[in-house]
Amino acid sequence: ILNVEQSPQSLHVQEGDSTNFTCSFPSSNFYALHWYRWETAKSPEALFVMTLNGDEKKKGRISATLNTKEGYSYLYIKGSQPEDSATYLCAPLAPGYALNFGKGTSLLVTP
Amino acid sequence: EAQVTQNPRYLITVTGKKLTVTCSQNMNHEYMSWYRQDPGLGLRQIYYSMNVEVTDKGDVPEGYKVSRKEKRNFPLILESPSPNQTSLYFCASSPNLGAGYTFGSGTRLTVV
Repeated sequence: ILNVEQSPQSLHVQEGDSTNFTCSFPSSNFYALHWYRWETAKSPEALFVMTLNGDEKKKGRISATLNTKEGYSYLYIKGSQPEDSATYLCAPLAPGYALNFGKGTSLLVTP
Repeated sequence: EAQVTQNPRYLITVTGKKLTVTCSQNMNHEYMSWYRQDPGLGLRQIYYSMNVEVTDKGDVPEGYKVSRKEKRNFPLILESPSPNQTSLYFCASSPNLGAGYTFGSGTRLTVV
């Protein structure tokens, strides 16, 4: 089992605030890092899959960066909106291991 | 429509009565997985499959079986369900290691 830590556990921001979360994982034997968005009563949806050190990916107001040497990834949300409220999961993938999810960061954006 | 279909969505059963949760994907994906989600524990992988007839244990395989006889189907079998298997189950599939997973809608199982 890969040890995955996400912080903070939960976050409450006002509409328009920008925010970021952290995902930490073992830097050795790394293959890829997945980010998912999981809204209440729905299924997780893939946001990004990153593989290279220094990778940056963007989808609308959401972006992510990856540092494989030190074993962390940041997810940024610019100008948060109420519809961004969800749990954000990261999951590192290493050869020989299954995709292991962190416990997530629960984001609440209030108007 | 590309999707992962799980059935049933909800199931209440009694201890010891064998059950199967079906999962089917129409995207010709190689990889398929089963997860369970429990409060405070996040998504934990039960079993995964990298191709037809190739399956492997995840983090919490005890009490479960799977099979992958066809690429599109990956059923989860509980031979003798117990109350500690009450959980929300998700099936997911992916074309390869570098792609994100597509999740099914989930199966909420209650074992009494």
